[in-house]
Amino acid sequence: EVQLVESGGGLVQPGGSLRLSCAASGLPFNDLWMTWARQAPGKGLEWVANIKGDGSEKYYGDSVKGRFTISRDNAKNSLYLQMSSLRAEDTALYYCAGTIATPHGMDVWGQGTTVTVSS
Amino acid sequence: QSALTQPASVSGSPGQSITISCTGTSSDVGGYNYVSWYQQHPGKAPKLMIYEVTSRPSGVSTRFSGSKSANTASLTISGLQAEDEADYYCSSYTNSGTHYVFGAGTKVTVL
Repeated sequence: EVQLVESGGGLVQPGGSLRLSCAASGLPFNDLWMTWARQAPGKGLEWVANIKGDGSEKYYGDSVKGRFTISRDNAKNSLYLQMSSLRAEDTALYYCAGTIATPHGMDVWGQGTTVTVSS
Repeated sequence: QSALTQPASVSGSPGQSITISCTGTSSDVGGYNYVSWYQQHPGKAPKLMIYEVTSRPSGVSTRFSGSKSANTASLTISGLQAEDEADYYCSSYTNSGTHYVFGAGTKVTVL
């Protein structure tokens, strides 16, 4: 069964850091572009970052550039998002998503992990 | 990056067809055939419905179709059903440096 499971969310103070993880199973993880997207409460989807299968290319949304770092460990079938200098506006449900058989479209999604930035 | 422009809401009666637009620029929607569409029901993760403007992933109903003209992409749902009531988001590759961008989302209501 193809599955993505996010973890690592929680409550963090403004200016703090948090590391999200996404464990993949049932898919050729090494070959896949992987993406983090987020959704603030009651708001739309926002593309956060993505990374090529071999980790050689990484891209970031303007709102997180310089604060967030995407990475992966193909030996562990895991995707990560290191978040620093967190702001209240980073509060959201963070999704991990992958592109398996649909170029430029994300055809597998996790259920998300919630990040709350508040004092 | 600026979100792609979508109507806030679209509605239709069961059996009707509706179309959701997604307007960008020549740097994203107009410049590449890399538009995708996602359906999201409340409390659920998004589901890919269309990729590369017109392609349907395996298992997605043929009632869903995509198209593009200039800087505007469109998702058409034909034979509208109650289960189609959801939020729909477009997404496009962009050469602005951020790689991809989402639309603001459209709420589809089945009357």
